[in-house]
Amino acid sequence: QQQVKQSPQSLIVQKGGISIINCAYENTAFDYFPWYQQFPGKGPALLIAIRPDVSEKKEGRFTISFNKSAKQFSLHIMDSQPGDSATYFCAASGNSGGGADGLTFGKGTHLIIQP
Amino acid sequence: DTEVTQTPKHLVMGMTNKKSLKCEQHMGHRAMYWYKQKAKKPPELMFVYSYEKLSINESVPSRFSPECPNSSLLNLHLHALQPEDSALYLCASSLSKDNTGELFFGEGSRLTVL
Repeated sequence: QQQVKQSPQSLIVQKGGISIINCAYENTAFDYFPWYQQFPGKGPALLIAIRPDVSEKKEGRFTISFNKSAKQFSLHIMDSQPGDSATYFCAASGNSGGGADGLTFGKGTHLIIQP
Repeated sequence: DTEVTQTPKHLVMGMTNKKSLKCEQHMGHRAMYWYKQKAKKPPELMFVYSYEKLSINESVPSRFSPECPNSSLLNLHLHALQPEDSALYLCASSLSKDNTGELFFGEGSRLTVL
């Protein structure tokens, strides 16, 4: 049973546009929601993370929006650049930070930014 | 130093071989993890070590044998693997198993089993 559902599976955005990736979770014990960025041949790297006590977090061009009642969170990439082309994974943890059982990952979104 | 270093980066082995993957971090993290990642799939948790003790084993076949010699090192011993075990093996670390913080991943060891 997949505990974190991610969509879309793939996404093509024009340079300068907004990329939006959505995730939904089922386990109400989750309390930490990170997004990871992975380039081909590299390990995942933490991009941005949020906790349920805030509804939005922004770091540069990257914003997480969080809706606790709907059990949904999303990643917005503003002014998308070709260098943002990568696979993005949402994740969730019930132990504040990816410890304990590790992270439960979504299936990933392959993002392509067209010049 | 915010790196998790994995060696080797690439490994090709036959089904009868014995090999090991190595992982090292010097961030003072006390939780270390092995993940397996197949192409176009998310990482799947295999093992979790907390303070050098095995905390979680996600029903991984015994042909994979983890070892944590000290707080900075994590090994994954491989024996009698199958071709379907070919994947990217990722090591990760975090401050502790119960601590708020991010998971730091290495770049992975790409394993091919012939």
